[in-house]
Amino acid sequence: AQTVTQSQPEMSVQEAETVTLSCTYDTSESDYYLFWYKQPPSRQMILVIRQEAYKQQNATENRFSVNFQKAAKSFSLKISDSQLGDAAMYFCAYRSANSNSGYALNFGKGTSLLVTP
Amino acid sequence: DTAVSQTPKYLVTQMGNDKSIKCEQNLGHDTMYWYKQDSKKFLKIMFSYNNKELIINETVPNRFSPKSPDKAHLNLHINSLELGDSAVYFCASSPAGQTNYGYTFGSGTRLTVV
Repeated sequence: AQTVTQSQPEMSVQEAETVTLSCTYDTSESDYYLFWYKQPPSRQMILVIRQEAYKQQNATENRFSVNFQKAAKSFSLKISDSQLGDAAMYFCAYRSANSNSGYALNFGKGTSLLVTP
Repeated sequence: DTAVSQTPKYLVTQMGNDKSIKCEQNLGHDTMYWYKQDSKKFLKIMFSYNNKELIINETVPNRFSPKSPDKAHLNLHINSLELGDSAVYFCASSPAGQTNYGYTFGSGTRLTVV
C-alpha cells in the first residue's frame, strides 16, 4: 500500500494568518487522487479539497489551496485567513486509480492544527 | 437526512461480549468501507464491500466480521471483544468507479471495552 507521511504532528497559527500543512507520499503509480480531510473535535470527517494527479493546476476551494508537486510526491495544504473554526485534525489521503487497490483511501497520521486568537 | 448513518454513536461494553455496529447510506453509492481510528488518531481500512461483494479484507482479527445485506448497508460484528478493540470505527461510502470522489463518512462509533 502507498505510504502517506505527514511530518508535522502539530501546527499552530494565529487567526487571520496563513499556515501550510505538509504531506508527502510514496507511489510508483502515475494515476491517483489526493485528498485533505478535516476532523474537528466532533470527529466528523469532512472533505476539504481534492486533487487529480493528471491535473497540473493546483486545486483551490475558497481559503484552502494545495501545492501539488507530482515529481516530488508532495501535496501541501495552505489555509489562508485562518479562522477559529479551522482548528482540527487534518489528514492527507491517497487513493489509487487502479481497481486492484479496491479504491481504498490511505491516510497519513494527521496534523493537529491549533488556531489562536 | 443523514447521508451515512452509524448506530450506535457510543458503545461501552465488557470484555468478552459480542457487539454490532450498523451503517446505512442513502446516497445510492455502490461501495462501503469500515475504518478503525486508534487512540493516536490513525485511520486504517478494515473492510470494503462493492455491491455486497467483499473487495478489501485487511489483516484484522477474525473476530471482526462485516456483513452487507444490500448495497445500502454494511454492518460490523465483533465477537469476544478485547480491550485493544477500543477505538472509533468509521463507516464510509463512495460511488463505484469515481475515484476522484473521495468518501462520505459516517459520524463514527466510539467503542470502549472495559
